[in-house]
Amino acid sequence: DQQVKQNSPSLSVQEGRISILNCDYTNSMFDYFLWYKKYPAEGPTFLISISSIKDKNEDGRFTVFLNKSAKHLSLHIVPSQPGDSAVYFCAASADNTDKLIFGTGTRLQVFP
Amino acid sequence: GAGVSQSPRYKVTKRGQDVALRCDPISGHVSLYWYRQALGQGPEFLTYFNYEAQQDKSGLPNDRFSAERPEGSISTLTIQRTEQRDSAMYRCASSLDSYNEQFFGPGTRLTVL
Repeated sequence: DQQVKQNSPSLSVQEGRISILNCDYTNSMFDYFLWYKKYPAEGPTFLISISSIKDKNEDGRFTVFLNKSAKHLSLHIVPSQPGDSAVYFCAASADNTDKLIFGTGTRLQVFP
Repeated sequence: GAGVSQSPRYKVTKRGQDVALRCDPISGHVSLYWYRQALGQGPEFLTYFNYEAQQDKSGLPNDRFSAERPEGSISTLTIQRTEQRDSAMYRCASSLDSYNEQFFGPGTRLTVL
């Protein structure tokens, strides 16, 4: 049973445009959400996070939106750059545990 | 500054052999996590430590898997009597303490023949 779902395995966006990556979750106990970015042959690197007490968190070109009622979060990258091309993982954790539950990832390709 | 390191980066072993995978966390990081990642999937939680104490081992698939962190720094994940289904990327992560973002190492790619 996949508690964190990323239904789009891949996304292709033109440079300069907005990239929107989506993530859905089923466990209502999740209260902390993170996005990780992964380049080939490297481990995932932390990108941005959001607590359930917020509905938006912004860091430069990256913004994460959380819709608790819909159990949905999204990562917006604007403007997209070719260096953003990577696999993006959504992850979630609950207050009573430190373990992260990851989605299956979305491969983003930003083309010139 | 050094990030999380893991060794070996690649391990090929025969079915039935024991393997030990090592993780060296970022200096000063209290929490250390082990994940397993199959191809095309996200990392799957195995176990984690705060200092030397194993806090949660609910993700370990069976009793052939064990982990230790005896001095609260380096950790070893041991798989006994390996099976082909154990083949995966094993990732280690560390964080400053609980509820902080986790920093991942490059992983150990385990192949069981």
